[in-house]
Amino acid sequence: ILNVEQSPQSLHVQEGDSTNFTCSFPSSNFYALHWYRWETAKSPEALFVMTLNGDEKKKGRISATLNTKEGYSYLYIKGSQPEDSATYLCAFWGGGSNYKLTFGKGTLLTVNP
Amino acid sequence: DTAVSQTPKYLVTQMGNDKSIKCEQNLGHDTMYWYKQDSKKFLKIMFSYNNKELIINETVPNRFSPKSPDKAHLNLHINSLELGDSAVYFCASSPSAASYEQYFGPGTRLTVT
Repeated sequence: ILNVEQSPQSLHVQEGDSTNFTCSFPSSNFYALHWYRWETAKSPEALFVMTLNGDEKKKGRISATLNTKEGYSYLYIKGSQPEDSATYLCAFWGGGSNYKLTFGKGTLLTVNP
Repeated sequence: DTAVSQTPKYLVTQMGNDKSIKCEQNLGHDTMYWYKQDSKKFLKIMFSYNNKELIINETVPNRFSPKSPDKAHLNLHINSLELGDSAVYFCASSPSAASYEQYFGPGTRLTVT
C-alpha cells in the first residue's frame, strides 16, 4: 500500500500572505509527482508534473520543489489571493507495472480577503 | 470544447437500482480511468482501460462493471446500488498507460437513497 501524505489538512491565510504545504511519498520506485489544483464543483486541474530530484517548477505565483531521495515535495504560493482558494492535491506515480496515480487527501487552502 | 466529459453530472437513485455513468474524451488519448472520491475526500482509482483493454482493476465490488466500446469512451455500470456507493465519480484520460499526465472530467455526484 502506497502512502501519500499531505499536510496540513487545511489552511486559512489572509490575502497577500505567502504559504506552503507538504506532500510526502515513498522514496523508492519513484517516477513522477503531480500537483493538482481542485476547486469545489470542478475537476482537478494539473499544476505541475515533476520527475527529477531537485526539480523546481513555477507557474505565476505558485512554485513547487521535489526531493525524491527523502520523499517530499513542497508547494509554495506567494502573495495568496482569494482565487487561490482550492484543494491542492499531490499524486505519486510509481514505476514498474503500477500505472496509476496514488493521491494524497489534499490541503484545503482558504484565502480570506 | 470539453476535453473529458461525463454524463450525468448528478444522479439520484434508490437502493437496488442499476445505473450507468458515461465518459468521453476528445483528446485522442489511449488510456482512460475511473476514480471514486470517497467520504474522506480521497481520490481512489477504480479502473483503467488502455485501448479498450482493462489494465487496472482495483479491489472494487463486482457490481461495478466498466465498459469501453472504443478508446474515446469509458462507461461505468453499477448494479444493485447500495447506500455506500454514494460518492463523486471522476473519469480521467491520459495519452498512454505509461504517461503520467492525466486530464479529469467534471465528476458525477451519485446519491443513493
